[in-house]
Amino acid sequence: DTGVSQNPRHKITKRGQNVTFRCDPISEHNRLYWYRQTLGQGPEFLTYFQNEAQLEKSRLLSDRFSAERPKGSFSTLEIQRTEQGDSAMYLCASSLGQGRTGELFFGEGSRLTVL
Amino acid sequence: AQSVTQPDIHITVSEGASLELRCNYSYGATPYLFWYVQSPGQGLQLLLKYFSGDTLVQGIKGFEAEFKRSQSSFNLRKPSVHWSDAAEYFCASRGEGSYIPTFGRGTSLIVHP
Repeated sequence: DTGVSQNPRHKITKRGQNVTFRCDPISEHNRLYWYRQTLGQGPEFLTYFQNEAQLEKSRLLSDRFSAERPKGSFSTLEIQRTEQGDSAMYLCASSLGQGRTGELFFGEGSRLTVL
Repeated sequence: AQSVTQPDIHITVSEGASLELRCNYSYGATPYLFWYVQSPGQGLQLLLKYFSGDTLVQGIKGFEAEFKRSQSSFNLRKPSVHWSDAAEYFCASRGEGSYIPTFGRGTSLIVHP
């Protein structure tokens, strides 16, 4: 069963460093989402892609954050010059496009700790 | 903007007791509604979803939810809770023309033996 895969699962970094997370969605899914989850909160939307096109970005996604999905397959989320406030669980999800039920299938997340 | 409210941060029940987790949404038309469960260290797993039709929907693990338009609610229920149900539960909604679900803050379920 090839579900949504995220790497690395855990990342500890020092403030000011850059980090990159990777997400491999379910193979036939054309939509890919990034959410952020902090302790005691629900997932907050960051951005989503349909195929390789980034269609929407949240205001939470500052200019230090960039996401790509080359060739409409895997996606990367990069955070530059990390801050302690970036510490969170970064969740990736994928779904089938229009005409389907549209539920999201989530990966297990990448936990970022910024020291 | 859409919002989802889960008024209970924590719910404690005894094993074998019934359960109801509350969820209210704000959206003018009929939303698409979801309940997800998240166990510690795990991703979110879909329990059930509502799009249209019968307002009582059945999900996995013995869960069900009822859509009530008049109350803008989509409460999750289970007749008899098992210890393995202890987890975080999230309600989510999205509008018909949107592909981006909005999540509530979650309800933490604690199950006493």
